[in-house]
Amino acid sequence: DAKTTQPNSMESNEEEPVHLPCNHSTISGTDYIHWYRQLPSQGPEYVIHGLTSNVNNRMASLAIAEDRKSSTLILHRATLRDAAVYYCILSSGNTGKLIFGQGTTLQVKP
Amino acid sequence: ETGVTQSPTHLIKTRGQQVTLRCSSQSGHNTVSWYQQALGQGPQFIFQYYREEENGRGNFPPRFSGLQFPNYSSELNVNALELDDSALYLCASSRADRPTYEQYFGPGTRLTVT
Repeated sequence: DAKTTQPNSMESNEEEPVHLPCNHSTISGTDYIHWYRQLPSQGPEYVIHGLTSNVNNRMASLAIAEDRKSSTLILHRATLRDAAVYYCILSSGNTGKLIFGQGTTLQVKP
Repeated sequence: ETGVTQSPTHLIKTRGQQVTLRCSSQSGHNTVSWYQQALGQGPQFIFQYYREEENGRGNFPPRFSGLQFPNYSSELNVNALELDDSALYLCASSRADRPTYEQYFGPGTRLTVT
């Protein structure tokens, strides 16, 4: 299973953009890049996913490097409710099995 | 649209006992996955069910077993409980016809084994 590497923690100020990096140098050509987040005392929540092109949705943007060996989740304006553990995950085969790492704990300061 | 629900919310069992956890998938979803999340760790994939059959399994022993029912709800059964089985058990549902398999998680069942 391809692995991802993320910083353990990051801090941001409220109302400012946040860029959460993820390295996945062993990604295969058919692996999708997924981002999930987990707020305290809740199950993980789907944020966004992509294959090769940059993606935008109402929650965030996903910027994927041209060689696909890294990606960045962008929260355009962080709010206190965005404080969570953010997981960068590569999909695995046809089962859609998600391999979670340790994730990045994002703290948002008022 | 009804989200993923799990029951019970919390459970305390004794080592050696058996436990059954339940999950109702989100409306329109036909695939259910189960994950174990130890304190301070990311979730670990246990297995996935599609069309009432196991469709992929993680590195968990056979005493972890599951079922999926015709209405796509699911059960996770754990036999001969060990202290290390104490964790948050998460259920996630998805649509098998979506190749990216976005998964929608329930709030989890907190299992404590004493």
